Amino acid sequence: GENVGLHLPTLSVQEGDNSIINCAYSNSASDYFIWYKQESGKGPQFIIDIRSNMDKRQGQRVTVLLNKTVKHLSLQIAATQPGDSAVYFCADRAPYNQGGKLIFGQGTELSVKP
Amino acid sequence: KAGVTQTPRYLIKTRGQQVTLSCSPISGHRSVSWYQQTPGQGLQFLFEYFSETQRNKGNFPGRFSGRQFSNSRSEMNVSTLELGDSALYLCASSLGGTSGGSNEQFFGPGTRLTVL
Repeated sequence: GENVGLHLPTLSVQEGDNSIINCAYSNSASDYFIWYKQESGKGPQFIIDIRSNMDKRQGQRVTVLLNKTVKHLSLQIAATQPGDSAVYFCADRAPYNQGGKLIFGQGTELSVKP
Repeated sequence: KAGVTQTPRYLIKTRGQQVTLSCSPISGHRSVSWYQQTPGQGLQFLFEYFSETQRNKGNFPGRFSGRQFSNSRSEMNVSTLELGDSALYLCASSLGGTSGGSNEQFFGPGTRLTVL
């Protein structure tokens, strides 16, 4: 992920629709990727993760897709609900021989209309 | 199991002062990481402590420092506060292994620091 210091991208969806949130990362050596959800006034909350040896992982209503060729990560939320409204961050982790730091993306604000 | 706790939740300081923030990780977690979150810069990594040693450091000036105690609790200190230090400071704990596994981080609610 890249913190570029810009206004947060926003995504507005209708309740019940599927949401897709995208993220680009820069370190081709990153070996682990995470999506977090942050609600107003709270710390980020883990949603789902994926290791670099996978290209897809599914959770409850969420799917993460990883395309290492273009360094792209996406989060798909099925049947989006009002409670899904939050800011979503992707993060990638450099391998431990490169420091192992988590680098966060700028975040995407998801707004769900009832 | 109790989550990550941070104290205080809110803090107001003036320029030039120093501040200490505290983080208690989830029981059994040995790694504590600190992040600064601002609207302009997003979430930025400050440092990580594991077994009382700083294991990783972000690109922040030396005014930002931290430490970890034998019970894994951690503190971070910011000296000579500047207006730009106003931010939400988040602490995250994890088991801390380096085996390449998921090593999920659990975040606390943060400390909202306002520098006047």
